[in-house]
Amino acid sequence: GAVVSQHPSRVICKSGTSVKIECRSLDFQATTMFWYRQFPKQSLMLMATSNEGSKATYEQGVEKDKFLINHASLTLSTLTVTSAHPEDSSFYICSAGASGAVSSYNEQFFGPGTRLTVL
Amino acid sequence: AQRVTQPEKLLSVFKGAPVELKCNYSYSGSPELFWYVQYSRQRLQLLLRHISRESIKGFTADLNKGETSFHLKKPFAQEEDSAMYYCALRGGNQGGKLIFGQGTELSVKP
Repeated sequence: GAVVSQHPSRVICKSGTSVKIECRSLDFQATTMFWYRQFPKQSLMLMATSNEGSKATYEQGVEKDKFLINHASLTLSTLTVTSAHPEDSSFYICSAGASGAVSSYNEQFFGPGTRLTVL
Repeated sequence: AQRVTQPEKLLSVFKGAPVELKCNYSYSGSPELFWYVQYSRQRLQLLLRHISRESIKGFTADLNKGETSFHLKKPFAQEEDSAMYYCALRGGNQGGKLIFGQGTELSVKP
């Protein structure tokens, strides 16, 4: 089946530092990847849509200079939280859109998430 | 505006009781509707989608365009059904992005 991994699974950093989170589609190519933020027992908030080889499309209210997204290949997208602050502490989840032989209806497969804690 | 509303934050039932998790949506066109489930400490996974009209783990959901609803139902809840359930909408020409509801925590007690 289609598997999406995220690394790291959890990270603790000091305020002011930058943190990079990787999202990989392990057994399929994903033209489009999505980044979400989830608060405890709350909904997933879409942050941005990442397309391979082009700039990400950010949702309203998401600071593109703070949350840098790079989708350099069909199997890897990265989210960098720059100059992190305690309010950025959250659970970040990525998903990858599968098409063709993997999914006839462009199903999104989700990663396990990354728990970011900013001290 | 596109919106998905799940009015119940928590739904608690006893094992064997019927379950209905409500979902209402707002969308100007013809959306695709999905139900996702997130078990404790596991990743989000697709439960079912309206197009396939299938039953997964005993759950069904019917799209009611008149009431703009996509409620999730199961006639007899099991303890292993305890999880967070999210209703999601996908519109056309939007790059495939999903709009999620707030989620409903289903707790099935023995």
